[in-house]
Amino acid sequence: DAGVIQSPRHEVTEMGQEVTLRCKPISGHNSLFWYRQTMMRGLELLIYFNNNVPIDDSGMPEDRFSAKMPNASFSTLKIQPSEPRDSAVYFCASSFGQTSGSTDTQYFGPGTRLTVL
Amino acid sequence: AQKVTQAQTEISVVEKEDVTLDCVYETRDTTYYLFWYKQPPSGELVFLIRRNSFDEQNEISGRYSWNFQKSTSSFNFTITASQVVDSAVYFCALSEADTPLVFGKGTRLSVIA
Repeated sequence: DAGVIQSPRHEVTEMGQEVTLRCKPISGHNSLFWYRQTMMRGLELLIYFNNNVPIDDSGMPEDRFSAKMPNASFSTLKIQPSEPRDSAVYFCASSFGQTSGSTDTQYFGPGTRLTVL
Repeated sequence: AQKVTQAQTEISVVEKEDVTLDCVYETRDTTYYLFWYKQPPSGELVFLIRRNSFDEQNEISGRYSWNFQKSTSSFNFTITASQVVDSAVYFCALSEADTPLVFGKGTRLSVIA
């Protein structure tokens, strides 16, 4: 079975450019999570969706970050404009969540390593 | 608020040694879930185990075992006869009902041949 799919795996861009990260959750899962991992801050939850609806976006750093989930099989995380401090690994995860929470096991994608020069 | 503490930042062992990774958590809920994930050098996060607060039985899976003790709010992870392939960062995590998963800072395990 296919796991969580993320693209691109690596992204190098220049400051000020728009960056779009993509995620395809595991089929049948109805909760989707975006995380950011840095050495300084560890793993941080940015936003999560349940049944395509954003439930908690309190982790989104600022207005430069936005996330969408137009359907059950696709989500995007967009950064516009990007800044060097956005450099990190961004993970997408999905779970078979019956509620809006995250008590079900989350399965992670391989991550996107973003470098903003 | 929920919190997970992994006091061991880095551990180094020689192959075939046993090693225990500590995880201490804080929660006010009676219903919660604990997790362990492995992050090998390749970078992906691999799910290892999920345990609910009502099940205090220890779990064993091959060389891996987990000891859940509510009395000390701990969910420790032991690797028996460690191997080089066990080298990774291991994360403990906690979730309460309808709240996001909270991760510890992780423990970096290095197994030396």
